[in-house]
Amino acid sequence: DAGVTQSPTHLIKTRGQHVTLRCSPISGHKSVSWYQQVLGQGPQFIFQYYEKEERGRGNFPDRFSARQFPNYSSELNVNALLLGDSALYLCASSRRGEWADTQYFGPGTRLTVL
Amino acid sequence: GDSVTQMEGPVTLSEEAFLTINCTYTATGYPSLFWYVQYPGEGLQLLLKATKADDKGSNKGFEATYRKETTSFHLEKGSVQVSDSAVYFCALIPISNDYKLSFGAGTTVTVRA
Repeated sequence: DAGVTQSPTHLIKTRGQHVTLRCSPISGHKSVSWYQQVLGQGPQFIFQYYEKEERGRGNFPDRFSARQFPNYSSELNVNALLLGDSALYLCASSRRGEWADTQYFGPGTRLTVL
Repeated sequence: GDSVTQMEGPVTLSEEAFLTINCTYTATGYPSLFWYVQYPGEGLQLLLKATKADDKGSNKGFEATYRKETTSFHLEKGSVQVSDSAVYFCALIPISNDYKLSFGAGTTVTVRA
């Protein structure tokens, strides 16, 4: 079975630009979560979606937004990029997004903002 | 708020040595606790988990016991191998929030042959 896939693998942007990151969950999984992992730190929760509805949001500015599509894939959008947005962005999927579910992580998208 | 504190690395060991990575948590009630591992060049993988006090999670020779009295979830392995070299993250899901994983900063472990 295919795992969680993310695209692109790497991305270089300049300050002020906009970026869209994509995630495809494991087949049968209806929940997708996004995390930001700055170098040398643990991942920080950004969003969770379940059945196309936002279920939770972490402590991130409104420049960050996301959505989930009918096929349960998801996009993370970041506007007006700042240098501090440089990080590894991780997507995780689970069946229902509940505590009893294991979250399976993708390999991440490495974003560099110059 | 709810948070996890884990021992700082890096940790360097010889093969067959005993590994302990300390993890303590701060949370309201009884969170679910996890250890994730990130091997070089790979994504995060769930290593083990425990959902209530005194539960012991185990996988691939690693163990961790949910200690309510000391709010701890220390990771242990009796005999490490070179292939255990990775970054290990302790994490929790609070009882009030059933989806948001809160991670520690990670501990880098290097096992030398």
